[in-house]
Amino acid sequence: SQQGEEDPQALSIQEGENATMNCSYKTSINNLQWYRQNSGRGLVHLILIRSNEREKHSGRLRVTLDTSKKSSSLLITASRAADTASYFCADTSGGSYIPTFGRGTSLIVHP
Amino acid sequence: EAGVAQSPRYKIIEKRQSVAFWCNPISGHATLYWYQQILGQGPKLLIQFQNNGVVDDSQLPKDRFSAERLKGVDSTLKIQPAKLEDSAVYLCASSFDRYTGELFFGEGSRLTVL
Repeated sequence: SQQGEEDPQALSIQEGENATMNCSYKTSINNLQWYRQNSGRGLVHLILIRSNEREKHSGRLRVTLDTSKKSSSLLITASRAADTASYFCADTSGGSYIPTFGRGTSLIVHP
Repeated sequence: EAGVAQSPRYKIIEKRQSVAFWCNPISGHATLYWYQQILGQGPKLLIQFQNNGVVDDSQLPKDRFSAERLKGVDSTLKIQPAKLEDSAVYLCASSFDRYTGELFFGEGSRLTVL
């Protein structure tokens, strides 16, 4: 099964800065999703982008999808200390629609 | 709306013992997933149910892991006998159906095998 892979593995920034995380996948997808996981907690769905979409926004989040490069990026603008968490991309492909997760990016936002 | 409930939150056992985890999905959600998350890694699918039927259990180590979803609602995941490498967080998730995409996760059950 294919798996999205995030880059970088870890990111440390100051409050107010933007954070960009990238995700690559291997074959054609139905959709790609981003999730956040605070330490010791479950995952929370952030945003879903379909294969025929190129960009989506949700509050301070902006997700782009480039199917020609098999990659997606998550941009968090004006980051806050509360954004400190791990961020995972998950792709679905073929007929299963089962989200397959990458290893995640650990984001630390310093106050 | 109540979220996905899981129990226990923490469990410590010795290798070769057995353990069971319980999950109650969001009401009305037909699809239920069990994922295993080892420290520092992303969640890995163990099994997917649609109502009370298994859709995908290709990555479930069937010699020691079993799962069921009776009546298409609650689900239990059992490990017997446990190995050291089973130490992980077991995450249950549900979705309205297989195709809507968004998964709702519980807080997870953290297993430590000594």
